[in-house]
Amino acid sequence: AQSVSQHNHHVILSEAASLELGCNYSYGGTVNLFWYVQYPGQHLQLLLKYFSGDPLVKGIKGFEAEFIKSKFSFNLRKPSVQWSDTAEYFCAVSQRGGSYIPTFGRGTSLIVHP
Amino acid sequence: GAGVSQSPSNKVTEKGKDVELRCDPISGHTALYWYRQSLGQGLEFLIYFQGNSAPDKSGLPSDRFSAERTGGSVSTLTIQRTQQEDSAVYLCASSLRQDNEQFFGPGTRLTVL
Repeated sequence: AQSVSQHNHHVILSEAASLELGCNYSYGGTVNLFWYVQYPGQHLQLLLKYFSGDPLVKGIKGFEAEFIKSKFSFNLRKPSVQWSDTAEYFCAVSQRGGSYIPTFGRGTSLIVHP
Repeated sequence: GAGVSQSPSNKVTEKGKDVELRCDPISGHTALYWYRQSLGQGLEFLIYFQGNSAPDKSGLPSDRFSAERTGGSVSTLTIQRTQQEDSAVYLCASSLRQDNEQFFGPGTRLTVL
């Protein structure tokens, strides 16, 4: 069965620090990749997605992620975090040509201190 | 436009009672998903509806759980004879097609006493 691993469960940073959240998946075929974010008190919403093409994907609010097929990874990055980035971040992977049901990682709680 | 809505937002019930959770997806979205989110855990897939196809029920944890989607729109998740371990946030999501991004509702927080 497909699995998604997010290595960091809790991350605490100061404003202006750089962020990288790891995401690895186990499926060897073609995949669709997503990062979702849940701000305090809000719905889960899409941050960015990768289906094909340029493996460096840019999303909202200055976030980007790089798909490295050989490493089965889709790490999320932001050069300089803000207090408003405090949220829960979830990586999700779905199998193209399969059921398309996304498998989610356990999530990473990010706290940014002002 | 309107997003995914869920009702009730909170539900407190006694062990052994049945509960129904409702999801109104975005109009025109053919795919609908139910997930369960427990504290400190990721999203646990429960069931998936795609158009008029038979639902994928592979994530339902027991036969106490069931769901239906009427007219390709509104969905109801039913949990019979609730147990304390059923306490969680139940999330509904819809997508335009099965391979698109998902739009999530606010969730229903279920507490079983």
